[in-house]
Amino acid sequence: EAGVAQSPRYKIIEKRQSVAFWCNPISGHATLYWYQQILGQGPKLLIQFQNNGVVDDSQLPKDRFSAERLKGVDSTLKIQPAKLEDSAVYLCASSLFPGETQYFGPGTRLLVL
Amino acid sequence: GESVGLHLPTLSVQEGDNSIINCAYSNSASDYFIWYKQESGKGPQFIIDIRSNMDKRQGQRVTVLLNKTVKHLSLQIAATQPGDSAVYFCAESQGQGAQKLVFGQGTRLTINP
Repeated sequence: EAGVAQSPRYKIIEKRQSVAFWCNPISGHATLYWYQQILGQGPKLLIQFQNNGVVDDSQLPKDRFSAERLKGVDSTLKIQPAKLEDSAVYLCASSLFPGETQYFGPGTRLLVL
Repeated sequence: GESVGLHLPTLSVQEGDNSIINCAYSNSASDYFIWYKQESGKGPQFIIDIRSNMDKRQGQRVTVLLNKTVKHLSLQIAATQPGDSAVYFCAESQGQGAQKLVFGQGTRLTINP
């Protein structure tokens, strides 16, 4: 069974630029999560989708971050404009149903200069 | 809550010895706990979980112990191998299974040959 796929794996941008990350969850997984992991810390949940609907985006900085999962499968996370403090690894995870074990992708490492 | 920063707690053990990684959680209402392993450049990988109605659960070479009285969780790894070198995170959740996970800071486990 293929795992969670993410791209790109690395991205370097300058502050105030925009960037987008892509995630393809495990086939059949209805629930999709985006996390931000700052160096030396544990992952922090940004947003949770159930199919194509948002379940929880309480920790998403909505002035600059947006995410969508239009067809209930793939998802994109966008940052516009990026700030220096956005430098982190952005992890996507999926689970079969809400409350089931989350499986993580390899992450996208973002460096904002 | 956990302290933040670049300096993860570290644990060094000899290959073949048993490892014990500790985690203090913050929310007394948490009822689901999970351990993840994160190798360099990879996403977190599920190891084992436990619900609050249990105080011990065993997997292959791993055991999780839960002490709700002092809000303490531990992960024991038997006969530690070089492939066990990684950062280990505990995470907690309240009332929603593996949703709304709150991750701790993590502990870096290093195996000495």
